[in-house]
Amino acid sequence: AQKVTQAQTEISVVEKEDVTLDCVYETRDTTYYLFWYKQPPSGELVFLIRRNSFDEQNEISGRYSWNFQKSTSSFNFTITASQVVDSAVYFCALSDPNSNAGKSTFGDGTTLTVKP
Amino acid sequence: DAMVIQNPRYQVTQFGKPVTLSCSQTLNHNVMYWYQQKSSQAPKLLFHYYDKDFNNEADTPDNFQSRRPNTSFCFLDIRSPGLGDAAMYLCATSRVLGETQYFGPGTRLLVL
Repeated sequence: AQKVTQAQTEISVVEKEDVTLDCVYETRDTTYYLFWYKQPPSGELVFLIRRNSFDEQNEISGRYSWNFQKSTSSFNFTITASQVVDSAVYFCALSDPNSNAGKSTFGDGTTLTVKP
Repeated sequence: DAMVIQNPRYQVTQFGKPVTLSCSQTLNHNVMYWYQQKSSQAPKLLFHYYDKDFNNEADTPDNFQSRRPNTSFCFLDIRSPGLGDAAMYLCATSRVLGETQYFGPGTRLLVL
């Protein structure tokens, strides 16, 4: 069975601080995808990134960066110089296109509050 | 812009009165999903369509049904809403199963 754990339920930072959201996953599959989604107060889940299990390269997109480590089954998300607009719930998710009917398993989410 | 659209954004219904939520997509994706999300929880998958093939989650109540008349549209029918069905309902699409899902803005359902 697949499992995604986001141990941090809530995080609060002050604007311009760096913050890392943790994601640990469990799967017996060798082929899988990992995702991060952002859910602002408006409610829509916004896709941020997808990583393939065969690609452990870290990725940077502006103030966002992702650290994928298969050795520790982790896919952590760092926001550099956080801004108030980053306040949202962030979900990490896992899917295996070849089993589990390709469905995604979501973590419980981390609520990030960035204070001015 | 290609997108996933949900109507209405807010829906108020009475206890036991059937309600239909709609979702449309311009992405031409094969898969359409319906999720239920309650406050401070992760989205919970209700069912999905792969083309015309319907796949119901084992724990989805019979009260929830879905229709997909064509590639672009998918509907969620709640036959007899109860107070516990008040939630955000999210529609999502993906090209194939397991790939990136693109979500609509959601419909917030209130049951009185």
